[in-house]
Amino acid sequence: EAGVVQSPRYKIIEKKQPVAFWCNPISGHNTLYWYLQNLGQGPELLIRYENEEAVDDSQLPKDRFSAERLKGVDSTLKIQPAELGDSAVYLCASSLRGGLSTDTQYFGPGTRLTVL
Amino acid sequence: SQQGEEDPQALSIQEGENATMNCSYKTSINNLQWYRQNSGRGLVHLILIRSNEREKHSGRLRVTLDTSKKSSSLLITASRAADTASYFCATYNYGQNFVFGPGTRLSVLP
Repeated sequence: EAGVVQSPRYKIIEKKQPVAFWCNPISGHNTLYWYLQNLGQGPELLIRYENEEAVDDSQLPKDRFSAERLKGVDSTLKIQPAELGDSAVYLCASSLRGGLSTDTQYFGPGTRLTVL
Repeated sequence: SQQGEEDPQALSIQEGENATMNCSYKTSINNLQWYRQNSGRGLVHLILIRSNEREKHSGRLRVTLDTSKKSSSLLITASRAADTASYFCATYNYGQNFVFGPGTRLSVLP
């Protein structure tokens, strides 16, 4: 079974440029998460999807960040424009049914973003 | 802000020794999960313990939960070099989302 796929693995851009990250979850997983992970810290949730609906985007900085999950499968996270402080690893995770607290999340390898 | 706080922040031990990491949290929870992250990789689920459980085992892993102290511990017995990674606890409270702590960086020296 293929795991969570993310691309690109690394991205270097100049500040004020746009950037997009793509995630393909495990087949059959209804719930998709985007996390931000700063160096030496744990992941922080940005947005959670149940199928194609964003059920929790309270931590997403909506002035510059946007996300979509068309057709309830793969998802794209965009930053426009990027700032220096956005440099971090962006992790995507999926789970079978997010409504169950015992659900296990499966993480992708992440996209390491460097903003110069 | 992150609810879980792991302790210690970093731990260095010799191969074969046991490693103990602690996690403290602030509010009531439904369950607590431990994840491992190897350098440059995503997180991997290790074990889940429910709020009505006190101890769980999985292979060389032993997790305890003390809800009265709002704390959990992860014990890795007979550590191996391959156990070198960061370990995170994640708490879940119904109606909310998983909240990860800052992690413990474990180094197992050969």
